[in-house]
Amino acid sequence: SQQGEEDPQALSIQEGENATMNCSYKTSINNLQWYRQNSGRGLVHLILIRSNEREKHSGRLRVTLDTSKKSSSLLITASRAADTASYFCATDFGNQFYFGTGTSLTVIP
Amino acid sequence: SQTIHQWPATLVQPVGSPLSLECTVEGTSNPNLYWYRQAAGRGLQLLFYSVGIGQISSEVPQNLSASRPQDRQFILSSKKLLLSDSGFYLCAWLGLAGEGSGELFFGEGSRLTVL
Repeated sequence: SQQGEEDPQALSIQEGENATMNCSYKTSINNLQWYRQNSGRGLVHLILIRSNEREKHSGRLRVTLDTSKKSSSLLITASRAADTASYFCATDFGNQFYFGTGTSLTVIP
Repeated sequence: SQTIHQWPATLVQPVGSPLSLECTVEGTSNPNLYWYRQAAGRGLQLLFYSVGIGQISSEVPQNLSASRPQDRQFILSSKKLLLSDSGFYLCAWLGLAGEGSGELFFGEGSRLTVL
C-alpha cells in the first residue's frame, strides 16, 4: 500500500500550546501535502511542500520534510479551539494521491 | 469559481441493494476526478480516479464501479452492496495550487450505512 502513517493517532492539548504531528511515507515523492478534516466534512488543503524543500511556513503552520527519512512534520503554533480536527498528510504519484491514517487533534479551551 | 457537489449526503441501504453516488464539478474543464472511501476513524482509501470522460482507473478490486459520462460528472455505483461498503465517500477534483502543483478539492461527502 502507498498509504502513509501519521503519528500520534490522537493528540489533546490546551489552547495556546503548540501541536506537532508526524507523517511517514514509503516511496519517493514529488510533493507532500497536509490536509485538515473537520468532523463529518470534506478535507481542506493546508500546505504543500516540494521534495526539494526542507521547511515551509504558512501563518501558524510550519511543515518540515526529510526525504532521507521519508518523513514530514506539521507544527501548529499557538493552537486555538477551532484547530480541533483531523490532519492528514498526502503524497502524490502522478495522478494518484495517497493519504495517511490521520492525527485527531483536540484543542481544549 | 469552482465548486463541487456530492449527493446524497446520507443514505441507509440494505445489503444487496444497488448504489449510486453522484459528484459534479462546476467552473472547470476536464478535471481529474477522484473517489475516496473513509471508514470510521480511519484514513482515506483511493477507490477510483479519472483523467477524462470514460477513462477510469481502479485502485482496489471490489464490488464498486465508477463512471464518468460527462466531463464534470463522476458516479460511484454498486449492483449489490455489502456490509463492508459502509463508510464516508468523498469525491474530489484536482486543481492547481499557487505554485503550479496540484491540490485536491473535496466535496462534503456521502455517508453510507449498509444494514
